[in-house]
Amino acid sequence: DIQMTQSPPTLSASVGDRVTITCRASQSISIWLAWHQQKPGKAPKLLIYGASNLESGVPSRFSASGSGTEFTLTISSLQPDDFATYYCQHYSGYPWTFGQGTKVEIK
Amino acid sequence: EVQLVESGGGLVQPGGSLRLSCAASGFTFPDYWMSWLRQAPGKGLEWVANINQDGSEKYYVDSVKGRFTISRDNAKNSLYLQMNSLRGEDTAVYYCAKKGGTVNYWGQGTLVTVSS
Repeated sequence: DIQMTQSPPTLSASVGDRVTITCRASQSISIWLAWHQQKPGKAPKLLIYGASNLESGVPSRFSASGSGTEFTLTISSLQPDDFATYYCQHYSGYPWTFGQGTKVEIK
Repeated sequence: EVQLVESGGGLVQPGGSLRLSCAASGFTFPDYWMSWLRQAPGKGLEWVANINQDGSEKYYVDSVKGRFTISRDNAKNSLYLQMNSLRGEDTAVYYCAKKGGTVNYWGQGTLVTVSS
């Protein structure tokens, strides 16, 4: 199985900060990488698919890049609504696996 | 507007069975692959199973193979997960999801608790 490793596990930041989350795959997954956002007690929401494509309706302050084994999610200017847990997920064959999550907290 | 509404969760004893349902609306259900995923309390996300449009292709995570069965009824716009031989480690919120390339819309989830 492909292992997905996110860093950092927790990130403390202030409104307006630029934040970056990293996701590494244990083997190449090309661009078959998605990012999901989850707020406490809520269902996850797709933000990014195909490593860098913004899902419809997602604010443009979110961006992502990468291919192969190294991927990043960047929030250009953190907003109050962005404090949540972010998960990367590969879909390059089965089983799909997720990173352990990065919790973005208020500093 | 896409809506996915899960039902059927609850408390079940170890070794027991449960059938989850997901009612879909707001999109052409027969045209899409569908997924079940889960999240144990306080833990991360885990993919459980996928099914193709006509139910002829099914994929499962190893930990549920032989115990869980994903199915669908396109006439009823419904997705199902039959869960047998349940274990404590199956305790989780189970999410129904619509699949594009990957999951692109999640339901709100239903809680399954396996405990004596």
